[in-house]
Amino acid sequence: GESVGLHLPTLSVQEGDNSIINCAYSNSASDYFIWYKQESGKGPQFIIDIRSNMDKRQGQRVTVLLNKTVKHLSLQIAATQPGDSAVYFCAEPTMKTSYDKVIFGPGTSLSVIP
Amino acid sequence: SAVISQKPSRDICQRGTSLTIQCQVDSQVTMMFWYRQQPGQSLTLIATANQGSEATYESGFVIDKFPISRPNLTFSTLTVSNMSPEDSSIYLCSVAGGLGTGANVLTFGAGSRLTVL
Repeated sequence: GESVGLHLPTLSVQEGDNSIINCAYSNSASDYFIWYKQESGKGPQFIIDIRSNMDKRQGQRVTVLLNKTVKHLSLQIAATQPGDSAVYFCAEPTMKTSYDKVIFGPGTSLSVIP
Repeated sequence: SAVISQKPSRDICQRGTSLTIQCQVDSQVTMMFWYRQQPGQSLTLIATANQGSEATYESGFVIDKFPISRPNLTFSTLTVSNMSPEDSSIYLCSVAGGLGTGANVLTFGAGSRLTVL
């Protein structure tokens, strides 16, 4: 069946270093991906998205890379800060009848070491 | 993007009881989505609530266990019935149309953390 999964469940990085969070997907027809950040006690929040006609998209301190050949995407966070400590999910909307069901990957917990 | 309020934010419940979670949105939305997040896990879609029709449940979730109401375009409730410790989770309400380039980017409430003893 369809799935979105991650390579690394936990990640610890030193403050100021760059973080890379990886995500694999199985549906080669997928054309849109979203990254969410979930801080403790909060719901997931949108970070950045990317469509399959792109292989890279940049935001403020974040970059998402998409490799359709190996069905892999990554979220890169530059100069990681303590406020980046959270769980990060990749997600994929899938067409289902009249609405889009969004599938979430298992998540990566990012801990920033001061 | 929409602002979503959920209550209760957390509760401790006894086995066998039921609890209703409320979700209020500050704008009218067609569909509302209920997710479950078990401890240390990802989000799993429970059901989609469309105003004026019965909710659509995902595999593994049934109406008798998770009845949903959607009385208008800004409000929905999810009831967790006959609770057991396995129902201890965070329950999240969401709507589509948040930030991002896609119409189906979800905006989430803060969630309702239920602990069943």
